[in-house]
This record gives sequence, structure tokens and C-alpha cells, in this order.
Amino acid sequence: EDQVTQSPEALRLQEGESSSLNCSYTVSGLRGLFWYRQDPGKGPEFLFTLYSAGEEKEKERLKATLTKKESFLHITAPKPEDSATYLCAVRASGNNRLAFGKGNQVVVIP
Amino acid sequence: NAGVTQTPKFRVLKTGQSMTLLCAQDMNHEYMYWYRQDPGMGLRLIHYSVGEGTTAKGEVPDGYNVSRLKKQNFLLGLESAAPSQTSVYFCASSDRGNEQYFGPGTRLTVT
Repeated sequence: EDQVTQSPEALRLQEGESSSLNCSYTVSGLRGLFWYRQDPGKGPEFLFTLYSAGEEKEKERLKATLTKKESFLHITAPKPEDSATYLCAVRASGNNRLAFGKGNQVVVIP
Repeated sequence: NAGVTQTPKFRVLKTGQSMTLLCAQDMNHEYMYWYRQDPGMGLRLIHYSVGEGTTAKGEVPDGYNVSRLKKQNFLLGLESAAPSQTSVYFCASSDRGNEQYFGPGTRLTVT
């Protein structure tokens, strides 16, 4: 069974204080790892797809990296508007579904 | 493009009542999904479809039925609502199982 564990569950950051979110996964043949952002009361918004170990993707203050066992979402010099829950999901080979983690809730304090 | 839309946005049902949630996408995606999201539980897959006329069970299918009569629409039905079905429901679509695009959600309360 595909498993995704995200840590920490919740994180409070001062504006400008960089940090990283962790997504550990167990899957039989990774076909893709996905990061989403979810604001309160809204649907998840797609951020990145990573396909193989060593791959990196960037968007503004966010950078996602991937190893064979985990992915990190680095938030550089965060702003209050980066406050959200970040979701990680994996797709296994031969599978048409995603397995989601429970999310990292990030609050950035001005 | 509207992307993925869901109707209704909010609904309150009494135990035993039935209802249908509608999801529509205008991205010509083959795959569509229904999830529920509960505090502390994350997103859980209810049912999904890999094409018009096809459906499959997800992680938590009991008490729900689905239909995909048209490629752009995916309906989720509750035949006899229970308080345990109080949740936020999200629909998503994807192009052949890659990144999924989500709708805004339906907040359902069953009393």
C-alpha cells in the first residue's frame, strides 16, 4: 500500500525565516510526486510534479526536491501570503490514483 | 476556461435524504475523481473514472455512487445520507492520471 507521511504537521514561521517541509513516501515504483497548496475553504492548487530522484522545481519562493525516499518543499524568505496547507501526493506505477499525505500547515507571521 | 466546477457549494441534509453532487470540467480530461476531506484525515478517494462510461471504487466508496455519462461531467450520489458523511467534497480531473486539478469543493452537513 502506498504511504505518504508529511512533517511537521504544523509550522509557524516569522516572515523571512526560511524552512523546509518533508514528505516521506513508500511506493512500489514512483511514477510521480506532486505538491499542492490549499488555502482555507478552497480546493488544492497544483504546484509541482517531480518524477525522478535528483529533480528540482522552483516557483517564486518555493523549491521542491526529490530523493528516492522523500521530497522537500523549501520555502525561502516566506511572506504572510505563503501561509497555507501544503499537500504531498504520490502516484505509483500502474496506478491511476494519487495517495495523499495529511499536509503541512504553515503560518507565516508578519 | 472555468477549469473544474462543483455544484452546489453548500448543502444541509437530514439523515436519510438523498442528493447528487455535480462536477464539470472543461479541460477535456479523461480522468475524474471524487474525494472527501475531513479534519485530521486528509484527502480520501471515494470513486474515480478513467473515461466516459467507466467508474471504479476508491478508498472509501461505501454509501456513495457515481456516474460518468458524459466526459466532462462526474456525478456523486448519496442515496441515504448519514451524519458520518458530513464532510467537504472535492472533485478533480487529470490528463491520464498525472497532476490533478481540483474544484472549489462542496461543504455538506448531514443532521
